[in-house]
Amino acid sequence: DAGVIQSPRHEVTEMGQEVTLRCKPISGHDYLFWYRQTMMRGLELLIYFNNNVPIDDSGMPEDRFSAKMPNASFSTLKIQPSEPRDSAVYFCASSPGLQGDGTGELFFGEGSRLTVL
Amino acid sequence: AQTVTQSQPEMSVQEAETVTLSCTYDTSESNYYLFWYKQPPSRQMILVIRQEAYKQQNATENRFSVNFQKAAKSFSLKISDSQLGDTAMYFCAFMKPRDDKIIFGKGTRLHILP
Repeated sequence: DAGVIQSPRHEVTEMGQEVTLRCKPISGHDYLFWYRQTMMRGLELLIYFNNNVPIDDSGMPEDRFSAKMPNASFSTLKIQPSEPRDSAVYFCASSPGLQGDGTGELFFGEGSRLTVL
Repeated sequence: AQTVTQSQPEMSVQEAETVTLSCTYDTSESNYYLFWYKQPPSRQMILVIRQEAYKQQNATENRFSVNFQKAAKSFSLKISDSQLGDTAMYFCAFMKPRDDKIIFGKGTRLHILP
């Protein structure tokens, strides 16, 4: 498997624009997580899905953020409208969870670095 | 809510030395999982080691081992014979099995000096 694939790797946009980050999880993984990494706040969990269903979105900062998982192989994180304080690296991770032989390990993508000017 | 605290924002050690990274957590759960993840400068995060709370034996993976003190809610990572390739950000993480949500500490930036 190619691992978790995120796009774009880098995104520079202007304040007020819509940003869409994309993620393809590892096939067979039931869980998908979106994290945001900043120097000040470290790694924050934004939202996670189990079998395409959002389980906990309490980490989503505000209504400008939304995430979807229309099928088992694709998820998006959208910011509309974007603001400079949204600048961060956004990570997607998938996991088999603890079912069967699962260890709960997270498999991360390479991240999307977002800069909002 | 669970919290994970890493009290050392940054550390530097000489190559071949042993270094210990601290992590404490807060939970009322009796069964849970703890992890250490490594994020090298290339940014890709990878799992270093994993500990199940109901196992008293400390986990080890080659040069990496943990000191798990359940009563003290402490989970430190020891890196023996440190190598230049160990230079990275290290994150401690907690998972409660019932919801599979994984919470991370803020990380410790480790520099291995030649």
